[in-house]
Amino acid sequence: DIQVTQSPSTLSASVGDRVTITCRASQTISNWLAWYQQKPGKAPELLIYKASTLESGVPSRFSGSGSGTDFTLTISSLQPEDFATYYCQQYNSWTFGQGTKVEIK
Amino acid sequence: QVTLRESGPALVKPTQTLTLTCTFSGFSLSTSGMCVSWIRQPPGKALEWLALIDWDDDTYYSTSLKTRLTISRDTSENQVVLRVINMDPLDTATYYCARSDSRAWFDYWGQGTLVTVSS
Repeated sequence: DIQVTQSPSTLSASVGDRVTITCRASQTISNWLAWYQQKPGKAPELLIYKASTLESGVPSRFSGSGSGTDFTLTISSLQPEDFATYYCQQYNSWTFGQGTKVEIK
Repeated sequence: QVTLRESGPALVKPTQTLTLTCTFSGFSLSTSGMCVSWIRQPPGKALEWLALIDWDDDTYYSTSLKTRLTISRDTSENQVVLRVINMDPLDTATYYCARSDSRAWFDYWGQGTLVTVSS
């Protein structure tokens, strides 16, 4: 199975900061990668698919890039509602990364 | 609009079989490309994909859990069922069902159901 490794596992940041989360696949997956946001007690929500396509309704401060094995999720200016846990997922065999918790600094 | 809802027991004993049902609306699993997956999340831990069933009734399973899982569908009832045999306390988790198109990303999720395994 293809594994995906996220980093960092925890990230402390302030409102207005630019935040970057990385995801590395154990073998090439083209652009078959999605990003999700999860808040405590809630189901995950789709942010980005095909590595860089923003899901409808998702704010434009979220962006994704990468292809092959290395991918990034960037939040250009962190907002209070963005403090959450973020997961990448490759959909060649549907495995998730370990998650990145974005905390208030 | 698309909705999914998980249902099943909140508590099961070790060695028992867990049966969960995902009831959905707003799409048909008979439509080309439509798929439903089960994903779980132990308390405080990461998401883990378990199984997928597609519009053609093809099924896919997590390599590490495939001997214990069965996913099936009732197209007329708009339901997908997951069975997990030989439950263990380590299977304690919130179980989600989610929709995807063409076996890709998950665009709609249920709210999840917490299953605790304890004697």
